[in-house]
This record gives sequence, C-alpha cells and structure tokens, in this order.
Amino acid sequence: EVQLVESGGGLVKPGGSLRLSCAVSGFTLSDAWMSWVRQAPGKGLEWVGRIKNKSDGGTTDYAPPVKGRFTISRDDSTNTLYLQMISLETDDTGLYYCTTAIRWGQGTLVTVSS
Amino acid sequence: SYELTQPPSVSVSPGQTARITCSGDALPGKYAYWYHQKPGQAPVLLIYEDSKRPSGIPERFSGSSSGTTVTLTISGVQAEDEADYYCQSADSSGSYEVFGGGTKLTVL
Repeated sequence: EVQLVESGGGLVKPGGSLRLSCAVSGFTLSDAWMSWVRQAPGKGLEWVGRIKNKSDGGTTDYAPPVKGRFTISRDDSTNTLYLQMISLETDDTGLYYCTTAIRWGQGTLVTVSS
Repeated sequence: SYELTQPPSVSVSPGQTARITCSGDALPGKYAYWYHQKPGQAPVLLIYEDSKRPSGIPERFSGSSSGTTVTLTISGVQAEDEADYYCQSADSSGSYEVFGGGTKLTVL
C-alpha cells in the first residue's frame, strides 16, 4: 500500500528554520516526481516545489515566493523526502503536504509566529 | 508570476451538470490537473493531463480543454461532490506549477 507520512512541523519564529520530512512506502522514491504543496489556514492550495525522478535528472524547481529559501532533497536509501526551509516568514504558515499527485500525505502544520 | 483563474463558487442541484472553468495563458501548451478537497481531508486527483481519469474516479468526472481554458465537468452531481475544486498547471517555461484559486461547489 502506498503511504506518505509527513513530519517535522511546528512553531518557529520569523527568520527561523525548519526541516520537514516525508516518509514514503509502497513505491520507490527515486522513481517518482515528488512535490510539496502547502495550504494556509482557510486558504487554497499553493505549490511549493518539486524534485524530479532520477531518470529525469533529479532536478528541483520552486515557486517564486520560496525560491532561494526552501530546498527539496531526498534520501533514496531511506525513501524519505525533505523540505529544508530557512528565513521563514509569517506567510509560510500552513499545512504542508508531500505528494506524487495521485497520492498525498495528511500534511504537517508549520506555524511561523513571534 | 503566472496565475490560473477559477470562479470562486458554482452551485448546482443534485442530478444536474456542473462545469468549473480554469483560465490561464499557458494552458494551450501545458497539461491541466484537477483535484477536489473536502474539509479536513487531503486533495484527491480527479483528472490528469487535461482529460484522463485515474483509476477509481467515477466516470461522471471529465475534463476538457479549449484554448486558454480548461473545464472540469461533473455530470449527475451528487451531494457527496460538494467540495473545493482546484486546477493545476505549469507556467509556459515549465519551471514551476501553480494552482488556481479554487472553486467551492455547492450542491443545492
């Protein structure tokens, strides 16, 4: 069974850092294009970024608001996807999902507040 | 930056047909994807590559594309279809993706 389980969310002050994890099972992480999508409380979905599969070069792309502050990586040995976030802003607050498009985790909540 | 435009809300009676549009300048050259999301739940992929339906998605959900607009059509709407609906696509360079602002479907 395919599962995606996010973790690592929490409360952080503006300017702080946080690393989110997404543990996947039921498929090989390196074979999939993986994305992070976030949703601010009461708002719509916002695409954050993605990492392509190995055969497509494994490159990353980011939404303009997070480019230069967020980094997506993966550990193929543990089937874990990461989202490293630095210089966090209050607008980064939200529920962060990892997804293959077909499959989604349940999300991990990030709150940026002083 | 690139934007996809959806109507904020659509209302339809049970059994009727609902159509939700999504407009964007790059849509003629980029695939669109459709999701719905119910309160407290993760999104569910309904349509990929403009008009393809993943396994397990009912046939009443269909997608189409014409110029700079893509459309999600829900035939024979049921009460359980009440949800927020989002389109997703890429900018013209393919370097990043965006979601539309979402459409709240109300089943009267």
